[in-house]
Amino acid sequence: GAVVSQHPSRVICKSGTSVKIECRSLDFQATTMFWYRQFPKQSLMLMATSNEGSKATYEQGVEKDKFLINHASLTLSTLTVTSAHPEDSSFYICSARILVSRGDTQYFGPGTRLTVL
Amino acid sequence: DAKTTQPPSMDCAEGRAANLPCNHSTISGNEYVYWYRQIHSQGPQYIIHGLKNNETNEMASLIITEDRKSSTLILPHATLRDTAVYYCIVRVGTAGGTSYGKLTFGQGTILTVHP
Repeated sequence: GAVVSQHPSRVICKSGTSVKIECRSLDFQATTMFWYRQFPKQSLMLMATSNEGSKATYEQGVEKDKFLINHASLTLSTLTVTSAHPEDSSFYICSARILVSRGDTQYFGPGTRLTVL
Repeated sequence: DAKTTQPPSMDCAEGRAANLPCNHSTISGNEYVYWYRQIHSQGPQYIIHGLKNNETNEMASLIITEDRKSSTLILPHATLRDTAVYYCIVRVGTAGGTSYGKLTFGQGTILTVHP
């Protein structure tokens, strides 16, 4: 299957700092990528849809000025958590959409564990 | 997208087939059934998807009832590494538009494979 990578896999930062997470599709081009967040013992929650060359579409309740998304190329999307606070500590997962013979599907990255002290 | 219902947990013996059910009684004609799984502390893994015909790949088989209101994911010979949360998701599979492709994850089924 298609491979999606994320970097870093784990990050610890101080409250008030910004953290950038990269999501790359390694062997295919993705015009659309997605960013999810998962808190302990909960399911994945979609944060935003990232489209190459255009502004991201954020889900209701997700602050676009806090979670900056850039999708500058067909293989790279970045999520920047600005002025991070302890409540932003979570597991952040990206996915990339790929067209297949029957519609489309998504391949997910391994996730980034963010801990804000 | 149609809502799905899955049992919260299931057990399976190693080497036996694991049959995971999913109800999606409000599915529309253009909605596909997707299955993903998430092993602890990892990103979800795509397993299989289908519209109305049964599908099989190297990982699993997907059996969709004739009325499309339910489906079953079959792992033919479960191993300990198949222990994970399995998500059944129904959504439009047609490409196009900037918002297509969104996946809504429910709570899934926790499958535990025992030795």
